Amino acid sequence: DSGVTQTPKHLITATGQRVTLRCSPRSGDLSVYWYQQSLDQGLQFLIQYYNGEERAKGNILERFSAQQFPDLHSELNLSSLELGDSALYFCASSALAGVTTDTQYFGPGTRLTVL
Amino acid sequence: DQQVKQNSPSLSVQEGRISILNCDYTNSMFDYFLWYKKYPAEGPTFLISISSIKDKNEDGRFTVFLNKSAKHLSLHIVPSQPGDSAVYFCAASELAGSYQLTFGKGTKLSVIP
Repeated sequence: DSGVTQTPKHLITATGQRVTLRCSPRSGDLSVYWYQQSLDQGLQFLIQYYNGEERAKGNILERFSAQQFPDLHSELNLSSLELGDSALYFCASSALAGVTTDTQYFGPGTRLTVL
Repeated sequence: DQQVKQNSPSLSVQEGRISILNCDYTNSMFDYFLWYKKYPAEGPTFLISISSIKDKNEDGRFTVFLNKSAKHLSLHIVPSQPGDSAVYFCAASELAGSYQLTFGKGTKLSVIP
């Protein structure tokens, strides 16, 4: 158990809908990262937050947004969903920001299925 | 454009033998490399890392080798155990301030008892 929790575990929805994925980092970790893993793909970095502020952005679509709240949990919002958004979404956390050797601990993921 | 490539989707090894997982990268700015292990229905778990100033790093049964000139790294597991059966992801990052990890697609290792 990495200490990172993600809810829900599974989500099935229809095209055009909007969903929110939630992540609670390990106790004491200030950085949260979101990754997307599509079928047969490696994990693609989406976005990083540190202590409530956005720190880095990867290949995140404009239909997607994220935030980190004062209690350090984070939410990833996906809107106008398309079939291609079906994927595993992982959240990871680490203690620091700006230290790339800081280990990222991953949650179990949320499997999103868009029908 | 895949910057981190794991060209073998799967690998089968007999228990007790050596497992060698390979990874190639194209971005010359990468200078920190990691291996993650992933079991079904779980998130990836950090295994071992290496920075570009070294060419080898060991942790118990796991050793990572880095060949910078060839932009190639490998993970050796000796001896392989059935519990090592998992998907192994190679990842890379730039030490100079970039926080994102760039992952390969993974290699599924099966260790046969």
